[in-house]
Amino acid sequence: NAGVMQNPRHLVRRRGQEARLRCSPMKGHSHVYWYRQLPEEGLKFMVYLQKENIIDESGMPKERFSAEFPKEGPSILRIQQVVRGDSAAYFCASSGDRGSYNEQFFGPGTRLTVL
Amino acid sequence: EDQVTQSPEALRLQEGESSSLNCSYTVSGLRGLFWYRQDPGKGPEFLFTLYSAGEEKEKERLKATLTKKESFLHITAPKPEDSATYLCAVRDYGGSQGNLIFGKGTKLSVKP
Repeated sequence: NAGVMQNPRHLVRRRGQEARLRCSPMKGHSHVYWYRQLPEEGLKFMVYLQKENIIDESGMPKERFSAEFPKEGPSILRIQQVVRGDSAAYFCASSGDRGSYNEQFFGPGTRLTVL
Repeated sequence: EDQVTQSPEALRLQEGESSSLNCSYTVSGLRGLFWYRQDPGKGPEFLFTLYSAGEEKEKERLKATLTKKESFLHITAPKPEDSATYLCAVRDYGGSQGNLIFGKGTKLSVKP
């Protein structure tokens, strides 16, 4: 399967714990985007990364959230000290070498539940 | 502020009953309009990209069109398997790099 992969698919955390969400882009893609989808809301952009670089983090909350896309391995979205309001579906998308001019292909998402 | 509005929020059709979904957008400069399909519990599935007014794209029973202010997704003779939420998104020249601005979607139900 050459599609975008995300894991885990479901993640349950208690308030104050850390959540780590992983995303492997499609084969040949070097651009990764993270989006959050709250119930009854549309998808909201969080961050855009290339290998080892954050290109645009304008949609990322200033505190507790961070993202990386290392030279080797998947992209990671990290949420520290989770709160109930962080409960949502988090989607990763990837695009090819033309960067932001290409279509974005989405993964199946990680559904985070904060108890 | 960039904005994407989809209507209706929900649409119920009988199998074979053709209809259209609307996506109105306000951007400083359009750098692409995208349609996606999302099934419950899954990620958005890419359907079409449109770049300029007058452009049209087709795939099976779906046809997407674009004007300077809105896009339509026409569904011809729909089948129950077309039931899903259809999402519209835009990329803006004046916005930040790479991100798509999504509408809230139209939930389509097709009854046999």
